[in-house]
Amino acid sequence: NAGVTQTPKFRILKIGQSMTLQCTQDMNHNYMYWYRQDPGMGLKLIYYSVGAGITDKGEVPNGYNVSRSTTEDFPLRLELAAPSQTSVYFCASSTGTVLTFGSGTRLTVV
Amino acid sequence: AQSVTQLDSQVPVFEEAPVELRCNYSSSVSVYLFWYVQYPNQGLQLLLKYLSGSTLVKGINGFEAEFNKSQTSFHLRKPSVHISDTAEYFCAVTEGKYGGSQGNLIFGKGTKLSVKP
Repeated sequence: NAGVTQTPKFRILKIGQSMTLQCTQDMNHNYMYWYRQDPGMGLKLIYYSVGAGITDKGEVPNGYNVSRSTTEDFPLRLELAAPSQTSVYFCASSTGTVLTFGSGTRLTVV
Repeated sequence: AQSVTQLDSQVPVFEEAPVELRCNYSSSVSVYLFWYVQYPNQGLQLLLKYLSGSTLVKGINGFEAEFNKSQTSFHLRKPSVHISDTAEYFCAVTEGKYGGSQGNLIFGKGTKLSVKP
């Protein structure tokens, strides 16, 4: 059982470049989330989705975009990378109360 | 607005000693509380949760937590820790039973537990 799969695991971007962080879950969960984790700051919610075709902003959405065309996939798009987006990104999914997390993507913007 | 405060950023402890990781929250309504654990270079996984019922909640790996409504606390405890418990622990709170689905699960800043031999 794969659970929540994130790719890539590591990435270095130059300022102004764009990229998509991939997230796939095989548990048929309706709810999916993107968090960023910065040292000593806990997790901050970027975007979330309650089902295919429905997304909403979290606490720190600026500089990011998402889409949810299928139940399984919830990609996160960075259009113009900035150093402030250097972080570890976690995707998670849920049927309601408890979140299942992926193993994360470590992104560095230089 | 709800918030979560983890009072200790780092907790060093010797193997087989007891440990308590403290978590306080603020909310004007009923809450649902969680502890997640993050091992090095991994994602978070659920340790235990309080939704309703008994205020003493038991989780995996011998951890337990007690919900104290009057003190707005949800401290995590283990009577005897192992080297393998070395990890970062996050307290989280939501005001909705399906808080995850509503996107309002709020995390604390984390407590790094370091177990020394």
